[in-house]
Formats: sequence, C-alpha cells, structure tokens
Amino acid sequence: QKEVEQNSGPLSVPEGAIASLNCTYSDRVSQSFFWYRQYSGKSPELIMSIYSNGDKEDGRFTAQLNKASQYVSLLIRDSQPSDSATYLCAVSHSGYSTLTFGKGTMLLVSP
Amino acid sequence: DGGITQSPKYLFRKEGQNVTLSCEQNLNHDAMYWYRQDPGQGLRLIYYSQIVNDFQKGDIAEGYSVSREKKESFPLTVTSAQKNPTAFYLCASREGQFGTGELFFGEGSRLTVL
Repeated sequence: QKEVEQNSGPLSVPEGAIASLNCTYSDRVSQSFFWYRQYSGKSPELIMSIYSNGDKEDGRFTAQLNKASQYVSLLIRDSQPSDSATYLCAVSHSGYSTLTFGKGTMLLVSP
Repeated sequence: DGGITQSPKYLFRKEGQNVTLSCEQNLNHDAMYWYRQDPGQGLRLIYYSQIVNDFQKGDIAEGYSVSREKKESFPLTVTSAQKNPTAFYLCASREGQFGTGELFFGEGSRLTVL
C-alpha cells in the first residue's frame, strides 16, 4: 500500500512569515514529487515538482526532497493571505502511471 | 488554449439514477484519470486509462464505470450501485502512458444526491 502522509493542519502563520509544509511517503522507489495548491471548491493547481534530492526554488516557493528519509517539503517565503489554501502532496511511483495524494495541509495566512 | 473540460460543473441526482460526467482534453495526453474528493479528504483514484480502449481500476472503482473510445474523452458513469456518490469529481490527464510529469486537472464536477 503506497501511502502519502501530511499533517492536516491548519497551519497558521502571519503575513510575511515562512510557511513550512511537510510530507512523508512510504514507497522507497517513488520517483516524482509534486505540490498542488487547492482553494476551497476549486481544482488543484501545480505549485512545484521535484525529481531529485535537494532543493528546487521557484519565486517564493522552495521544494526540498530527501529520498533517504522519504520526505518532501514545501517552503513558502513571505507568505501572503492569498496563499491561504490546502496544499496537497502527490507522489508518482516507478513503473506506474498513477499518483498517490496526501490528504492535504490547510494553510491560513493572517494579515 | 489547451486544457481539460469537465461538464456539468454541478449535478443533482435522485437515488437510483445513473449519471455520466464528461471529461474532454485537447492536450494530446495519453493518460487520463478520474479522482474523487470528499470534504477534508485528499484525492482518491477511481479509474485511469493509459491508452485508448484500455482502462484500469483505481482504489475505489466499485459503483463506477468508464470508457475510453477516443484519446480526447474519458467519461465517468456513477451508477446506482455507488452507495455514497455525493462528492467532488476531478478529471486529470498526463503526458505519456508512463509519464513522470504532473497531472493537469479539469475544474471538477460536484455531484449531489438528493
């Protein structure tokens, strides 16, 4: 059973702070990792993808992957109220075309 | 613009009725997926298709059926056998049969059973 675990939150941070979202996965041969943002009532939209160990930065977002620890995280710098949403971690498995999603972490950024 | 179109956005069904949710993509993607999302829950895979005329059951296929007669289209039928069909349904596609890239999502269809 391939599992993806996330803290459900909510994670509350003040505007301008760094938000740190974490995700662990059970399948050691997982190969692709994604962070999606989902606003209430809307469909998920891709924020970041990461495929190799280390950090990947895109604007205010940084994804971090540690395959040895089976851990992937998303850092949001200078958090804005518009970042308030649920963040879904998704993992793609070697040899399969499907993605497994975590249940998501709700982020609340207060002005 | 390329994308995925789901219809209808909102659908109400009486108990015992079958309903079909439409999903059309013009991204030329090989693989297509149907996910279900319940409040406060992540996405659970219903069915997926990696190529025309072939599809596979996901984790929660019971009470659902699909077809893949064209590359662009992957409709989902929610049958009367699905005991708790009220949910948000998301269609997605991905490049390549065994692609490693992201899923692209449609805007979703919200089904409510009266």
